[in-house]
Amino acid sequence: AQKVTQAQTEISVVEKEDVTLDCVYETRDTTYYLFWYKQPPSGELVFLIRRNSFDEQNEISGRYSWNFQKSTSSFNFTITASQVVDSAVYFCALSAPKGGGADGLTFGKGTHLIIQP
Amino acid sequence: ETGVTQTPRHLVMGMTNKKSLKCEQHLGHNAMYWYKQSAKKPLELMFVYSLEERVENNSVPSRFSPECPNSSHLFLHLHTLQPEDSALYLCASSQGRLASPDTQYFGPGTRLTVL
Repeated sequence: AQKVTQAQTEISVVEKEDVTLDCVYETRDTTYYLFWYKQPPSGELVFLIRRNSFDEQNEISGRYSWNFQKSTSSFNFTITASQVVDSAVYFCALSAPKGGGADGLTFGKGTHLIIQP
Repeated sequence: ETGVTQTPRHLVMGMTNKKSLKCEQHLGHNAMYWYKQSAKKPLELMFVYSLEERVENNSVPSRFSPECPNSSHLFLHLHTLQPEDSALYLCASSQGRLASPDTQYFGPGTRLTVL
């Protein structure tokens, strides 16, 4: 069985602060993929990043960075110099290949990030 | 615009009504998905379709009936729902596992309220 845990239900920081969102996952599969999605108040999930289990390189995209550590089964997400527009619910998700040609995602419960001006 | 549209955006229905949710993807993808997002619960996968065939059904009650007439359209037919079925229903699409890795892109969701 797969499981994704986002222990932080809500985080509130002041604009320009750095913030890290934690994600811990469980899977017995050796090949799997990890994702982060952003859900603004409009409701639509916006894809941010995908990582496969064989690639532990950290990634940086502008103010966003991701730290993937297989040894601790974690895939944490850091926003540097946060902005009010970063306020949203952020979801970490996991998928692993099964039969059938397409694989659903297992999501964490999400972290509600509030950036105060 | 993400390329995945859902209609209606909001729906209020009684427990005895029959209604359908529609999803359309304009991305040329081969796989489509239904997810349910309830308050205080993680997003739950409901159904997976690959090349118009259902490949996964996550123990969803029979009052939810999916239909995938072609790779661009996905429906969720609803009948005799319960108030606890009130939730945001999200549709997603992806290329399917022929493309590796695969990424799902989501629509804006339908906010369903069952009275």
